[in-house]
Amino acid sequence: QLVLTQSPSASASLGASVKLTCTLSSGHSSYAIAWHQQQPEKGPRYLMKLNSDGSHTKGDGIPDRFSGSSSGAERSLIISGLQSEDEADYYCQTWGSGIRLFGGGTRLTVL
Amino acid sequence: EVQLLESGGGLVQPGGSLRLSCAASGFTFSSCVMSWVRQAPGKGLEWVSRISGSGYDTNYSDSVKGRFTISRDNSKSTLYLQMNSLRDEDTARYYCVKEGDVGWFDPWGQGTLVTVSA
Repeated sequence: QLVLTQSPSASASLGASVKLTCTLSSGHSSYAIAWHQQQPEKGPRYLMKLNSDGSHTKGDGIPDRFSGSSSGAERSLIISGLQSEDEADYYCQTWGSGIRLFGGGTRLTVL
Repeated sequence: EVQLLESGGGLVQPGGSLRLSCAASGFTFSSCVMSWVRQAPGKGLEWVSRISGSGYDTNYSDSVKGRFTISRDNSKSTLYLQMNSLRDEDTARYYCVKEGDVGWFDPWGQGTLVTVSA
């Protein structure tokens, strides 16, 4: 069964870097995912599509501070030079035949 | 610029019905797969349903299968979600999303709030 697992919370200091990870369930390590950001009281925003080889395609206007990497079943979102507006919920999302799926989300706190 | 504008949300009693609409602009609507995603208050994102560009191919999450129907009118560039037999747990903000080439969501609409309550 296709499942995406995310840690519920993460924190990092202003100006630092943080790595948020999304893990695909067993047997699905070749799947691509997408990362979405949801700032407080706002709708979600597409950040990037991340392939199993680590290549990624970012959405329009997404700063260079946001990047992605892949290792096995793990798909990671890396945010460098953290800013206060990066404090948000981050969701990974994937897709299969006739199904779309989200991880539970990670709430990022910028200290 | 791609724009998605949802409407039709509101307060409805359990067991009632509601139809959501999503007016799309800025892209060739008939060529794109579209989905509905919802978010209950204080909860995460949940995919609800998707429809192919032609409208012939549809899929639903288990939580809404048999109660919700997704459809589209390509002549009006509008996506719909007919929601019947509504339950308290259907209370959520419903987002209309355009899918990328193979299934990611970009962009998102601003959402419309559905409240199911007696």
